[in-house]
Amino acid sequence: AQSVTQLDSQVPVFEEAPVELRCNYSSSVSVYLFWYVQYPNQGLQLLLKYLSGSTLVESINGFEAEFNKSQTSFHLRKPSVHISDTAEYFCAVSRRGSQGNLIFGKGTKLSVKP
Amino acid sequence: EAGVTQFPSHSVIEKGQTVTLRCDPISGHDNLYWYRRVMGKEIKFLLHFVKESKQDESGMPNNRFLAERTGGTYSTLKVQPAELEDSGVYFCASSQEFEATEAFFGQGTRLTVV
Repeated sequence: AQSVTQLDSQVPVFEEAPVELRCNYSSSVSVYLFWYVQYPNQGLQLLLKYLSGSTLVESINGFEAEFNKSQTSFHLRKPSVHISDTAEYFCAVSRRGSQGNLIFGKGTKLSVKP
Repeated sequence: EAGVTQFPSHSVIEKGQTVTLRCDPISGHDNLYWYRRVMGKEIKFLLHFVKESKQDESGMPNNRFLAERTGGTYSTLKVQPAELEDSGVYFCASSQEFEATEAFFGQGTRLTVV
């Protein structure tokens, strides 16, 4: 069975500071990795994903995540955050070669302060 | 193109009553998923439809929950009778491929059972 651990339930940061949201997973099979974001009063949106190839993946709004197989991690980073990045971020995995249901972590609330 | 749409956005019902949630997936997406997030916990998989067939309903909590997808288009999730622990946010997602490398989520239905 797969599981996802997001170590930080809340991360407060100041605007323009760097941020890292941690995600570790456990799986006996190969997985796909995802980060979803939920802005206030909105649904879940896919932020970025790792399927194969380069272990560093990027989103259009400056976030990046690196797949580290040896550490079973997929941490999300941004070098300089904006107020508009305030949201809840969810790390998720799905099994390769299987149906696409996702296994989520508990989420990390990122709060960006001016 | 319209995204995944869920109705209602909020529902407050009394314990013992019945509630029906609806999900309209993205047109052409054969795969439809229901997830639930109970307050403070992970978003958890409930079930997966491929067209009108239930592919996997291993996440359904008990027989008070009934999901249908007649005609392989929209889906409904009925809770009857509702209990206090059913409160949470119910998300619907859809994807084009069985091995979902990307799932599109709706805004969710916030269900409160009092």
